[in-house]
Amino acid sequence: NAGVTQTPKFRVLKTGQSMTLLCAQDMNHEYMYWYRQDPGMGLRLIHYSVGEGTTAKGEVPDGYNVSRLKKQNFLLGLESAAPSQTSVYFCASSYAQPYEQYFGPGTRLTVT
Amino acid sequence: SQQGEEDPQALSIQEGENATMNCSYKTSINNLQWYRQNSGRGLVHLILIRSNEREKHSGRLRVTLDTSKKSSSLLITASRAADTASYFCATRNYGQNFVFGPGTRLSVLP
Repeated sequence: NAGVTQTPKFRVLKTGQSMTLLCAQDMNHEYMYWYRQDPGMGLRLIHYSVGEGTTAKGEVPDGYNVSRLKKQNFLLGLESAAPSQTSVYFCASSYAQPYEQYFGPGTRLTVT
Repeated sequence: SQQGEEDPQALSIQEGENATMNCSYKTSINNLQWYRQNSGRGLVHLILIRSNEREKHSGRLRVTLDTSKKSSSLLITASRAADTASYFCATRNYGQNFVFGPGTRLSVLP
């Protein structure tokens, strides 16, 4: 099993450009999450999904959109990138809300 | 809003020593988890402890939870260089998502 995978691993964007980050899991988990990690701030939840076709806002959703068209995939979109979105993005999945989360390896995004 | 806060922010110890990290939180929780993150990698789950539990063990890891003090501690015994990583606590209240603290950076020197 691959667990949770993220594509791409690195990306550099110019301000105003758009991109989509892809997360895939092969554990048949219902819950999926997108976090961003900035120095000294831990992980902050951007959006999450409690099942195929559902999405919900987390702590810092502004500037991001998500979609969960298939149970195994969770996409994070940036419509118009800003330097403040420079961060490391992690996807995670879990069987249910109170259970352990499995994390992907992360995507390092730089917006210039 | 940040729920859990780890202490210390950074910790350096010699191989073979024990490492203790603490997590304090502000509001009631129903469970708390500890995660490890090696440099440049994703987080890996270590232990989950529920609000009705006081202590859990997993190999060289021991986690305690004191709900009256709103704090938890993670003890790593007989540390190894491979334990060098950042450690995060994540707290959750009923019906809510987990909230991660800023982490403790542990360095184990050979």
